[in-house]
Amino acid sequence: AIQMTQSPSSLSASVGDRVTISCRASQGIGNDLSWYQQKPGKAPKLLIYAASSLQSGVPSRFSGSGSGTDFTLTISSLQPEDFATYYCLQDYNYPRTFGQGTKVEI
Amino acid sequence: EVHLSESGGGLVQPGGSLTLSCAASGFTFSTYAMNWVRQAPGKGLEWVSGFSGSGGPSLHADSVRGRFTISRDNSKNTLYLQMNNLRSDDTAVYFCAKGKSQVILDAFDFWGQGTMVTVSS
Repeated sequence: AIQMTQSPSSLSASVGDRVTISCRASQGIGNDLSWYQQKPGKAPKLLIYAASSLQSGVPSRFSGSGSGTDFTLTISSLQPEDFATYYCLQDYNYPRTFGQGTKVEI
Repeated sequence: EVHLSESGGGLVQPGGSLTLSCAASGFTFSTYAMNWVRQAPGKGLEWVSGFSGSGGPSLHADSVRGRFTISRDNSKNTLYLQMNNLRSDDTAVYFCAKGKSQVILDAFDFWGQGTMVTVSS
């Protein structure tokens, strides 16, 4: 199974900060990667698919980049509603594997 | 509007069985891949099982293979997860998730609210 490693596991930031979260795959996955935001007690929400495509309705301050084994989720200017946990997911093969999550907190 | 609603969770003893359902609406259910994803209390997301929209084979994580079975009834727009021989480490919120496109491997663009399964004596 492909292992997905996110870093950092948590980070502290302030409103207006630029935030970057990394995700590394244990083997090349092309651009078959998606990013999700999850708030406590809620279902995950798709932010980015195909590594860099913004899901409809998601604010443009979210962006994704990368291919092969190294990927990045960037929040250009952190907003109060962005404090949450973020996960990457490889969409390359089965079994599907998530990163362990990155908690963004104040 | 796409809507997914899970049901069937609850408290079950170790070794017991439970069947989860996910009722779907707002899209052509039969043509999309559907999946189950779980989240143990305080832990991350874990893919459990998946099913293509074209009647292809079902797929399961190693941790549940042989114990869990995913199925779908396209006439009822419903996804199922039959869980047998449950263990304490199966305790989690179980989400159903829709594939973004009609291929088996794609991002999950819509999720249900989840149903809690607790395995305990």
